[in-house]
Amino acid sequence: DIVLTQSPATLSLSPGERATLSCRASQSVSTYLAWYQQKPGQAPRLLIYDASKRATGIPARFSGSGSGTDFTLTISGLEPEDFAVYYCQQRGTSLTFGGGSKVEI
Amino acid sequence: QVQLQESGPGLVKPSQTLSLICTVSGDSITNGLYYWNWIRQHPEKGLEWIAYFFHSGNTYYNPSLKSRLTISIDPSKNQFSLNLRSVTAADTAVYYCARDRLRSAVYFGIDVWGQGTTVTVSS
Repeated sequence: DIVLTQSPATLSLSPGERATLSCRASQSVSTYLAWYQQKPGQAPRLLIYDASKRATGIPARFSGSGSGTDFTLTISGLEPEDFAVYYCQQRGTSLTFGGGSKVEI
Repeated sequence: QVQLQESGPGLVKPSQTLSLICTVSGDSITNGLYYWNWIRQHPEKGLEWIAYFFHSGNTYYNPSLKSRLTISIDPSKNQFSLNLRSVTAADTAVYYCARDRLRSAVYFGIDVWGQGTTVTVSS
């Protein structure tokens, strides 16, 4: 199984700052990687698909990059509503999720 | 607008079978465009993929759960279901149904999720 390792586990920032989240795969997943945002009591929300493409309705401050085994989610200029947990997820024959990164104030 | 809705008992006794249904509206589970998934989240933990099926009848299970799992579909009701046998407290989680798409070498992600249903395993 492909293992996804996210770092850091927690990121403490202030509104307006830039958040950089990392996701590393144990083997290549090409660009079959997505990023999600989850807030308490809610289902995850798709932010980025195919490693770098923004999903419908997602603000331009969210961007994704990478291919193969190393991926990054960048939030440029944190808004108050961006403080949440972020997950990466790969799609091969099966699906796996990273352990999550919490962006907190 | 596509919507997925999970339903089933919120409390299951240890050693019994957890059965959940996902009802899909606004899309057909047999249209051949999407994979239909079950995903769970243990309390205060991350996400764990359980299984999916594709319209052609292909089902794929998480190897760690495969021996206890069955996914079935009812096209006439546009529903798919999850049966997890011999449950323990470790199966206590929020269970989501969701769809994702992989086509023409592009992964479109899990774009629609149900709201989730909490299942507690306890006597």
